[in-house]
Amino acid sequence: RKEVEQDPGPFNVPEGATVAFNCTYSNSASQSFFWYRQDCRKEPKLLMSVYSSGNEDGRFTAQLNRASQYISLLIRDSKLSDSATYLCVVNMRGSSNTGKLIFGQGTTLQVKP
Amino acid sequence: GAGVSQSPRYKVAKRGQDVALRCDPISGHVSLFWYQQALGQGPEFLTYFQNEAQLDKSGLPSDRFFAERPEGSVSTLKIQRTQQEDSAVYLCASARASNTEAFFGQGTRLTVV
Repeated sequence: RKEVEQDPGPFNVPEGATVAFNCTYSNSASQSFFWYRQDCRKEPKLLMSVYSSGNEDGRFTAQLNRASQYISLLIRDSKLSDSATYLCVVNMRGSSNTGKLIFGQGTTLQVKP
Repeated sequence: GAGVSQSPRYKVAKRGQDVALRCDPISGHVSLFWYQQALGQGPEFLTYFQNEAQLDKSGLPSDRFFAERPEGSVSTLKIQRTQQEDSAVYLCASARASNTEAFFGQGTRLTVV
């Protein structure tokens, strides 16, 4: 089982739609969680951190469920420019008690006009 | 510089050749990560450093891969006797601390022929 799992998609949605991505992680001791966005042939860029209480940034909402070891990202009112791959990232605790960042496979979103 | 810088951006190596990939992290960032990304996949963890200490190298695929960060700043990923399966984008990221978000360089695209 991979340490961080995502549905690779692709998710094809019309402009204006609401879309949700899910991610599960295996290490219950994980402490930090992030969503990154990666455009084709570009490096990943931070979209938002994920906090225990959930957090929102404009049209984007991230949720964390520690009991189920589950992270989600909700995008409202999708724009064409949201088309990208969304990567779930978890900070894993290692034997040295410091974390390494583990990425999921990524979920591809294609927003159509 | 303002961001993470990687060089070279592109590298073509003949099978069996040794290569060295360089990463200049953001100044003052303690954590440094190396990832390997194949087409259509998420970044796969290779190794990470906290300052000059290599805390985890569990992702290095074979003993042909070696990474160092001797002064806790610039890092080099070396691949000896390159094979075709080593062809990928190698991404470097740095973070201010061990559980904060990481910032990526543009990557080095390695093609082994």
